[in-house]
Amino acid sequence: KNEVEQSPQNLTAQEGEFITINCSYSVGISALHWLQQHPGGGIVSLFMLSSGKKKHGRLIATINIQEKHSSLHITASHPRDSAVYICAPLTGNQFYFGTGTSLTVIP
Amino acid sequence: EPEVTQTPSHQVTQMGQEVILRCVPISNHLYFYWYRQILGQKVEFLVSFYNNEISEKSEIFDDQFSVERPDGSNFTLKIRSTKLEDSAMYFCASSVETGNTQYFGPGTRLTVL
Repeated sequence: KNEVEQSPQNLTAQEGEFITINCSYSVGISALHWLQQHPGGGIVSLFMLSSGKKKHGRLIATINIQEKHSSLHITASHPRDSAVYICAPLTGNQFYFGTGTSLTVIP
Repeated sequence: EPEVTQTPSHQVTQMGQEVILRCVPISNHLYFYWYRQILGQKVEFLVSFYNNEISEKSEIFDDQFSVERPDGSNFTLKIRSTKLEDSAMYFCASSVETGNTQYFGPGTRLTVL
């Protein structure tokens, strides 16, 4: 079993701020998923990464496999980024989900 | 853009009844998954399915649960005798390969009374 911790649990930011969400896990993994869950409940995949860094638009995800840590960064945050962000490391064939970071971006 | 679909969007049932939740994965995907999320809690893995058999299941996925791919498009989750604690949002997901990006359906909200 992989214990997953995310920080912070809740985050409020002003529009335009740079945001960092952290994820730590306890067991070695082959990949890690960053997901976004909208207020209505729908889940969208943002990134799947197994090393280094990936960028998509204003989102950047990094992972350090040796340190068992990943971060999700949002540059120039916008109110539409308000959602719950979930990291889910892959151990074996199973994803273990963090409890999520609830982000609110205020105009 | 292809997407995973799920039906129904909301299912209400009496305790002890059987329910079948349906999913249509993306057509060229080979791996299928069910997850559940109890209100206010984190998403939990239930089961993964490949080549017409279960490839991995969690401790939550006990004998009351079963999955099936009855035809070339549908992927179903059956809960045999529902309990109050089965009330949750159930998400289906699919991927091209294991370890690849998973695409999630919109979920089925199951309410057991």
